[in-house]
Amino acid sequence: KNEVEQSPQNLTAQEGEFITINCSYSVGISALHWLQQHPGGGIVSLFMLSSGKKKHGRLIATINIQEKHSSLHITASHPRDSAVYICAVPNYGQNFVFGPGTRLSVLP
Amino acid sequence: NAGVMQNPRHLVRRRGQEARLRCSPMKGHSHVYWYRQLPEEGLKFMVYLQKENIIDESGMPKERFSAEFPKEGPSILRIQQVVRGDSAAYFCASSPLLLDEQYFGPGTRLTVT
Repeated sequence: KNEVEQSPQNLTAQEGEFITINCSYSVGISALHWLQQHPGGGIVSLFMLSSGKKKHGRLIATINIQEKHSSLHITASHPRDSAVYICAVPNYGQNFVFGPGTRLSVLP
Repeated sequence: NAGVMQNPRHLVRRRGQEARLRCSPMKGHSHVYWYRQLPEEGLKFMVYLQKENIIDESGMPKERFSAEFPKEGPSILRIQQVVRGDSAAYFCASSPLLLDEQYFGPGTRLTVT
């Protein structure tokens, strides 16, 4: 089974700060998925990436396949970014295994 | 293009009753995944289906739980004889291809009393 770790587990930031959330996994993969779970419980797909870097608005995701590591960056953080951020990786090709999540709170 | 739809959004069942959770994938998506999230815990894979076929049910308890995705209509996750430990949020996700980007429904919050 692919083991997925995330750090930090919890993160509190001031509005405007640059934020980095890390994800590492144990088994080589073809692509990695970043998700955002809102305080109300809804889950939104942020990125699916297999190499390099992707950018969407203030969010940037990078992946290093050789090192089995991905990072999610948030620039100019805002209180509305407060959520749980989850990375997910394929598990033997049939389904996804999820990291434990990073709970982000951005204070005004 | 409507997103992934799940109903009901909230479901209350007494111990021993049956719970039926429905998921309608996005139009054009033939891959459906069901996940369970226990209170204060992460998402856990339960089952992966394509139209009329269960592809991977390795995350689903062997007893009381079943899933289907018929040729017509939504995918259904069925829990028989519910127990308090089944109380959780159940999320459905769909994708156009295997292991492609997944789109999540709003979830069904099951409470067993």
